[in-house]
Amino acid sequence: KAGVTQTPRYLIKTRGQQVTLSCSPISGHRSVSWYQQTPGQGLQFLFEYFSETQRNKGNFPGRFSGRQFSNSRSEMNVSTLELGDSALYLCASNLAGNQETQYFGPGTRLLVL
Amino acid sequence: SQQGEEDPQALSIQEGENATMNCSYKTSINNLQWYRQNSGRGLVHLILIRSNEREKHSGRLRVTLDTSKKSSSLLITASRAADTASYFCATDLYNQGGKLIFGQGTELSVKP
Repeated sequence: KAGVTQTPRYLIKTRGQQVTLSCSPISGHRSVSWYQQTPGQGLQFLFEYFSETQRNKGNFPGRFSGRQFSNSRSEMNVSTLELGDSALYLCASNLAGNQETQYFGPGTRLLVL
Repeated sequence: SQQGEEDPQALSIQEGENATMNCSYKTSINNLQWYRQNSGRGLVHLILIRSNEREKHSGRLRVTLDTSKKSSSLLITASRAADTASYFCATDLYNQGGKLIFGQGTELSVKP
């Protein structure tokens, strides 16, 4: 089976712009979670989608949003980018999201100038 | 704040030695997982231990879980240079779906 894929792998944006990141889960996986990783805050949970519904949300401002499509692919969007949004954004998938191993993609590295 | 606190933050050992990393957490959990990350890339799952388990082995890895002390440890035996990476513990909480709470990680350096 192909692993979790994320596009793009690298991205440079300027403050005030918006960005959309994409995640394709492992075939058959219905749960997709997003995490932000920064040197200062470490790995932080953004949100989780299961069967096109947001099931869980972390403590991030409303500028961070996401969605999941019927084929389980997911996108996350960050509007009005700030310098502090520079981070590695990781997507993870698993079958149903409960008490199971998460399979992570390679991440999208976002740099905001 | 982070659920998990890891200790030590950095560890440097010689090839062939054992490496032990510790993780403490704050609230009740479904399970605790350990992940490895090489140079800012994606995380690789190493091992999952459920709240009703006390010890688990996988190859050169040994994980223990003490729910009374809310702590876990990861032991890597006979370490290799290829084990150089950051190691994170992550807790899976009750009724939180697929949400994982990560510790700050331990940076392991194995010198040949």
